[in-house]
This record gives sequence, C-alpha cells and structure tokens, in this order.
Amino acid sequence: DSGVTQTPKHLITATGQRVTLRCSPRSGDLSVYWYQQSLDQGLQFLIQYYNGEERAKGNILERFSAQQFPDLHSELNLSSLELGDSALYFCASSAARTLGGTEAFFGQGTRLTVV
Amino acid sequence: EDQVTQSPEALRLQEGESSSLNCSYTVSGLRGLFWYRQDPGKGPEFLFTLYSAGEEKEKERLKATLTKKESFLHITAPKPEDSATYLCAVPPGGSEKLVFGKGTKLTVNP
Repeated sequence: DSGVTQTPKHLITATGQRVTLRCSPRSGDLSVYWYQQSLDQGLQFLIQYYNGEERAKGNILERFSAQQFPDLHSELNLSSLELGDSALYFCASSAARTLGGTEAFFGQGTRLTVV
Repeated sequence: EDQVTQSPEALRLQEGESSSLNCSYTVSGLRGLFWYRQDPGKGPEFLFTLYSAGEEKEKERLKATLTKKESFLHITAPKPEDSATYLCAVPPGGSEKLVFGKGTKLTVNP
C-alpha cells in the first residue's frame, strides 16, 4: 500500500458528461501529480500541484482541470467526455516541490470508461 | 527531445532464469532515474531511485544499476510472482513531470 488513496476505483459514464476523480496523498506529502495511462500512450503526465498551487502542466486537455485543496487532497475534473478519454487515471504524491531527490508514490488509479 | 526507451518490450523467462532489462535515456540534467513495477490494472509501485553513474541498488531478486546513458534492472533467479511490467522514468531537467518508458512486460513461467 503506497498510502495514496484514489476514489472511485471504477467509473462508467456517457459521452458529454462530467466526472470528478479524487486523490488523497500520503500523509505529509505536499506534491500531487496526475497521470493518464491508455493502452497506446503509456503513462502521460497531466498536471502537478504543490501545497495548493499549480506547479507544472503537461499534455492536459482544456476540458480537464484540477485543484488541490487546503487539506492537500486533489480533484481532477473531466468534462465533455469523449470515448477517447477512457483510460486509467493515476494520482501520485511526493514530499518535495521538485522530483529531483525524492520519489513519487502512485495510487491504485481510477478506471474511467466512457460509453 | 527527452526520451526514455525500454527494451525488450516483452520478456519470457523460466523460473530461476536470470536476465536483465534495459532503460536508455536522453535527458538534459538527469535528476534521478526511477524504476517502478506495475501489475495489470494497478498503480506503479516504486522500486528504486538512482542518481549517479555507477550507483547500484538491490531489493530481493532485483538489482538496478546506472550508467551515463542507461540503466539496467537485473533479475536474479526470478519467481512467477516477479511477473509484471517494469517501468523506468526520469524527470527531465527543468521539468516536474516524470517521462516514462513504455515498459518491459516480464512473464516468469513456473
């Protein structure tokens, strides 16, 4: 158990809908990262938050947004969902502001299926 | 462009048959190379971080090594429970994302 908790584990929704994925980082970790994993793309970085502020952005679509709350949990909001958004979404946390010198620990993911 | 390439894509071993997985990288300003293990439908599980050429780390049947251009994950006398996809990743200089390779899917047959 990595200590990173993601809910829900599975989500099935229709095209055009909006969903929210939740992540609780390991105790004491201030950084939260979101990743998307699809069969053909591998693990792709979406966005990072550090202590409530956006720190780095990857290939995140404009239909997607995220935030980190004062209690350090994070939510990833996916809207106007398309079939191609079906994937595993992972949250990771680390203690530091930067990845140099520290590890990132991953949650068990949310499997999103858009039908 | 920062890249991480893993080989082979898939590897089948018999129980007890040792082998190595390769991860080659081209990034500017290496700040660590990370190895993860991922089981189907699960999140990546952290294994090792290596920071400088010549560094080695061990955990049970796994040993990771690092050179200036690549890293190896050596698996000694593997067991079926070692079957998984092994991923390596690096944070490119000036970036906070982890760039992952596509992984090596290891199958160990009893």
